[in-house]
Order: sequence, then C-alpha cells, then structure tokens
Amino acid sequence: NAGVTQTPKFQVLKTGQSMTLQCAQDMNHEYMSWYRQDPGMGLRLIHYSVGAGITDQGEVPNGYNVSRSTTEDFPLRLLSAAPSQTSVYFCASKLAGLNTGELFFGEGSRLTVL
Amino acid sequence: TQLLEQSPQFLSIQEGENLTVYCNSSSVFSSLQWYRQEPGEGPVLLVTVVTGGEVKKLKRLTFQFGDARKDSSLHITAAQPGDTGLYLCAGALAYNTDKLIFGTGTRLQVFP
Repeated sequence: NAGVTQTPKFQVLKTGQSMTLQCAQDMNHEYMSWYRQDPGMGLRLIHYSVGAGITDQGEVPNGYNVSRSTTEDFPLRLLSAAPSQTSVYFCASKLAGLNTGELFFGEGSRLTVL
Repeated sequence: TQLLEQSPQFLSIQEGENLTVYCNSSSVFSSLQWYRQEPGEGPVLLVTVVTGGEVKKLKRLTFQFGDARKDSSLHITAAQPGDTGLYLCAGALAYNTDKLIFGTGTRLQVFP
C-alpha cells in the first residue's frame, strides 16, 4: 500500500533553476497539500487543494506554483529557485470537508538551493 | 509570526520524568490535532480533539483542548526513550477548516 509518494527524495539546484516536486496518492483523497519544514518553524503550509481543478494559497505561497488536474497528483513547481527555498518539503493528503480527518504524509523531499 | 506557537521548543529529560508541551494561538480552531514525527519520516497522527475543554488519554499521553479552542496541551507521564521525537500540534481554522496549520514544534529527547 503506497499511500502518499513523493519524488525526488533529494535534489540540489542552483539559484534560478526550476524544478517540480511530484506528489501522488492512491487513497482517493480530495484534499492534498504541500508543507515546508525548517528548523524551529514546524511545518508551514505552502498551497493546498480540495479537489481537481481547485487550489488555494497557504501561509507561504510566494515562489511556488501548484496545479491539480487529477485527484491523484499534486505537483509543486519552483519556477526560479532561491537559497531561501532550501528546506524539506512534505506532501500530505486527507479526506476533504472533514476538519477531524487524519493527514497522511509522504516521506519528504530534501531540497538544497546553492 | 506563526499562528500556532509551541513551547518549549526543546525538551531533554530523563526516563520516568513527566512533561507538558503547550500549543497556543490567538485564533479559534474547529479542531486540533497532535502529530509525532521521527527523523526521515513524515508526521503521524496521535490524536484529534474537537470540543472546547475536551480531554483525551492515549496510554501515558493526555491531550487537552482549551475551553476557548485557542490552545492545547500534551502531557506525558513517566516518559520513555520511545517517546523521543518531534511533537507538532495542528489546527483546522474555524473560518476555513480545509486550512490545516501546524505549530512550531517541540523536540523531545528522553534519555535512559
């Protein structure tokens, strides 16, 4: 049982390069989200989606784009990477419209921007 | 500043000691969850509380949701080395329950 799958697990970029972090879930969850984790700051919400074709901004959306063309996939795009985007990124999913629903996480993607 | 502040940020204790972690906000949440994260992995849900004043117990862990639904606490009795990890609170905002906001985290280390 795959759950939430993120790729790649590790990535090194140079400033100004672009890349996409992939996220896929096989639990038929309507809600998907991206967080970044930095020391001492817990998890900060970047973008989230409550269903295909619907996305919204979280706490720290600047510098990131998302799209949701299918229920299963929710890629995160960095159009022009900056050193401030060095972080560990987590994708997570849950049932939408349920404020008590459990959030299921991927294993994380560690991104370093030089 | 983040919506959910946790304290303390770090906690290093001996096995058998008790501890309390706090999660505070000025915002009202419709529900609040606690997650635990181990190195190299994503967070895993421990508990969800939804009613102001609610107390839930999970073995040696006791979770409380504040009466005004703005804060929560996690109390561990007789901590064990297996409790070591990063503890994160997460709240669903009352005005947008799809937006799950996480706290700043508390890193706990329990020594044998």
